[in-house]
Formats: sequence, C-alpha cells, structure tokens
Amino acid sequence: DAKTTQPNSMESNEEEPVHLPCNHSTISGTDYIHWYRQLPSQGPEYVIHGLTSNVNNRMASLAIAEDRKSSTLILHRATLRDAAVYYCIEGAQKLVFGQGTRLTINP
Amino acid sequence: KAGVTQTPRYLIKTRGQQVTLSCSPISGHRSVSWYQQTPGQGLQFLFEYFSETQRNKGNFPGRFSGRQFSNSRSEMNVSTLELGDSALYLCASSYYLLAGGRDEQFFGPGTRLTVL
Repeated sequence: DAKTTQPNSMESNEEEPVHLPCNHSTISGTDYIHWYRQLPSQGPEYVIHGLTSNVNNRMASLAIAEDRKSSTLILHRATLRDAAVYYCIEGAQKLVFGQGTRLTINP
Repeated sequence: KAGVTQTPRYLIKTRGQQVTLSCSPISGHRSVSWYQQTPGQGLQFLFEYFSETQRNKGNFPGRFSGRQFSNSRSEMNVSTLELGDSALYLCASSYYLLAGGRDEQFFGPGTRLTVL
C-alpha cells in the first residue's frame, strides 16, 4: 500500500510557483522518489524522479530533504495546463500510487 | 517516437464474460506494467512483464492474467467478469525493470471497461 503522504488538494495562481510536498518516512536507502501527474481523462505522465540530490528537468524541480523522509515538487511558473492530480511515489517496484494531490490553478 | 498504444479504447461486457486487452509499448522498451484505476481504489498495480516473464504481481485474484510476446507487446485477460471489474485499465512501458527504480514509465491512454 502507499507509503507516502500528500495533501489532498492545493490551489495556486497562474504564473506563480507551486510547491507540492510529500512525506515518505519509511523510504529505504535505495528507493528512488518518483513524481507522476494525471491530467483529466488521461493516463499518468512522468514528471521527475531522484534519489538523493535535487533534480531539475524541463517540467519541474525536485527538492529532496537531507534525511530523504520528504520531498517537494516545484513547478516554477504554473500554467492552467498544470492542473492535475500529482502523485509522489517511493520506490518503483510496483509504482504504488496513493490518492495524490489535486492541484487547481486559478487564471 | 510513437507512444504507448492500447486497444480497444472502450469496451462493454456483461458479467461472466471474459475480456482481452492489448498494449503496445514504446519501441525498445522491454518492461510492460498494467494498472487498474477506479474512483474508489485509485490506481492499483496489476503486474509487470519483462522479457516475456512476469516479474512482479499485485494483489489481484487469479482471474486477472497477462502475457508478453517476444516483440514486447502485452495482453491482459480478465475471466469471469464481475461488476467491480469496471475500470480504466492502464498499460505503461519502460526500458528497465521497475525494481531498479531508476527509470520513468510511459503510460498509454487506457482502456475503459464497463461490465454490465
């Protein structure tokens, strides 16, 4: 079962940064932290993943706490297209999805 | 590069029937995983196939089965359908085994199965 904890919902404004938190207190030393998002009526979409160091890609940044018990997905300038359910997943063996955070972007 | 494709996109069956869903992974990807998504249970892992072998399995009854062919295409089968099997079935592919944790998965659009 899902071992991560995320807020059920968050809201932000267009063109502002969004910080989506995730707690993964039972993560093992070799488990990667993955983030996926699911837009309405679509399959999940990979966002980013990392192990220990902070990671950046064209979509987002991932900030991982030093003890690896938590991480934050950062969308630098949110657009309306970023409205989705965001899932934080520890490990990848079964990609166990929790309920995720439903992100609403206000125009 | 073409994405993950799933056929059919929509399917209506009646209780007791069986169904086969198909998934074509991204070219070069060897791992195919299947997931069930329902409003009540969310996204749940069914199984993963890699090089024609089932490598990992979720907590689903034996009515749910799958296989992978030498070209990495995969099928999943559900026998003796129940009303509760109505769901969106998603297929995802990746180059490496999921267990390594280092790889991203690419999801298809899903097959919407309705059991009447």
